[in-house]
Amino acid sequence: NAGVMQNPRHLVRRRGQEARLRCSPMKGHSHVYWYRQLPEEGLKFMVYLQKENIIDESGMPKERFSAEFPKEGPSILRIQQVVRGDSAAYFCASSPLYDQLYTEAFFGQGTRLTVV
Amino acid sequence: TQLLEQSPQFLSIQEGENLTVYCNSSSVFSSLQWYRQEPGEGPVLLVTVVTGGEVKKLKRLTFQFGDARKDSSLHITAAQPGDTGLYLCAASRGSQGNLIFGKGTKLSVKP
Repeated sequence: NAGVMQNPRHLVRRRGQEARLRCSPMKGHSHVYWYRQLPEEGLKFMVYLQKENIIDESGMPKERFSAEFPKEGPSILRIQQVVRGDSAAYFCASSPLYDQLYTEAFFGQGTRLTVV
Repeated sequence: TQLLEQSPQFLSIQEGENLTVYCNSSSVFSSLQWYRQEPGEGPVLLVTVVTGGEVKKLKRLTFQFGDARKDSSLHITAAQPGDTGLYLCAASRGSQGNLIFGKGTKLSVKP
C-alpha cells in the first residue's frame, strides 16, 4: 500500500518562475493537507482540500500561492513568481476520513524547493 | 505566539540513557500526536492520544497526555542511535481539519 507520494523531491527555480508541486494521497484517502517547513521553524499549515474543494486555506499566503485537488489526478500546490523566501520544504499529508474528534495525517517525503 | 511549546529544543545523550521530552500549551486540544522526522524525510506518525491522562506505549517509547489535555510527554527508555531524529508534537482542535505543530526536539543519541 503506497504511502503519500510527492514529486519532485527537489525543485530548483529562478526568481520569477513558477513552481508546481504534486501530491498523490494514500489509497483511500480523500483529504489532503499542505504544510511548509522553513529552517528552524515548525511545520506550518497552508491549506486543506478535499476532491474539487478547498476546505481551509487560512495558512496560504494571499498572493502567488494556489492549490487544487481535482476529481482526477494529484493535488497541486502552485507558486507563481517565486522569490527567495519561498525556499522551503513543502509537505503534503493525507487522511482517510474527516473525523470530528481528531485528524490523523500521514505525510509524504516532501518537496524541497530552492529559489536561486 | 507558539501554541505548542516543546522542550528541550536540543538533546544529546549517550546510548542506553533515558530521556523525556515535553510538549506544553495553554490551550485545550481534542487530541495530540507525536511524530518523528529524520533529515530529508517527512514526519512519521508515532502515536495519537485522545483522552486526558491517557498513556500509550510503543516498545521503548511511552507517551502521556495530560489530564487537562493541554500537555504531553514522550519518555524513551534505553535510547539507541536509531532513535536520533526530530520529535514533533502536533495538536488538533477537532473540527478544524488541520494540525498545529511545535518546533520539535532534536534528539541525538551517541553510540
